[in-house]
Amino acid sequence: ETGVTQTPRHLVMGMTNKKSLKCEQHLGHNAMYWYKQSAKKPLELMFVYSLEERVENNSVPSRFSPECPNSSHLFLHLHTLQPEDSALYLCASSQALGSTTRTEAFFGQGTRLTVV
Amino acid sequence: QKEVEQNSGPLSVPEGAIASLNCTYSDRGSQSFFWYRQYSGKSPELIMSIYSNGDKEDGRFTAQLNKASQYVSLLIRDSQPSDSATYLCAVAGSSASKIIFGSGTRLSIRP
Repeated sequence: ETGVTQTPRHLVMGMTNKKSLKCEQHLGHNAMYWYKQSAKKPLELMFVYSLEERVENNSVPSRFSPECPNSSHLFLHLHTLQPEDSALYLCASSQALGSTTRTEAFFGQGTRLTVV
Repeated sequence: QKEVEQNSGPLSVPEGAIASLNCTYSDRGSQSFFWYRQYSGKSPELIMSIYSNGDKEDGRFTAQLNKASQYVSLLIRDSQPSDSATYLCAVAGSSASKIIFGSGTRLSIRP
């Protein structure tokens, strides 16, 4: 059982579809993150949940909606996406910053999203 | 100014040599610093973390931190072809709960 698991690994969706990405961590962490990685661009932080509260929302369009029902699970709900939203979406988890000095983040395998 | 800056490369190093990767950051209050390796099409993998000034060694990898200069580096000794990847520097900021990544340096180890 890997530390951080993302499903699905690949997703193709139309612009009118609604889908959700799922992330689950088994590391006992209490902070979870969504990052977007587009081709030839750096990792972009989208959302941060720390102790199940959203603490960061980096001006992400409302067509992306995160949900963190507990410290082990994180979702990213997608609706009416655009082709430019096609990217690798990465989930990560860590201990909450400020709660400990050891705050390494561990990533899931990512979801490769293609919007057609 | 970008929060975390790295040269994009590519950095080409002969097999067996030392590869040196550099990173600067803008938030002077940052406390935690990380190096990740990312192979093409894969997710980032943590290889080093460093929290205090000085050097930290782990096998062939040495991370160096200089908070006064806001500078972090990664040295890879005895470089192997399998070290060819993109190396991401990441910094945990002093405020809010976020880890910010640099754009990465592409490293190529030539046989």
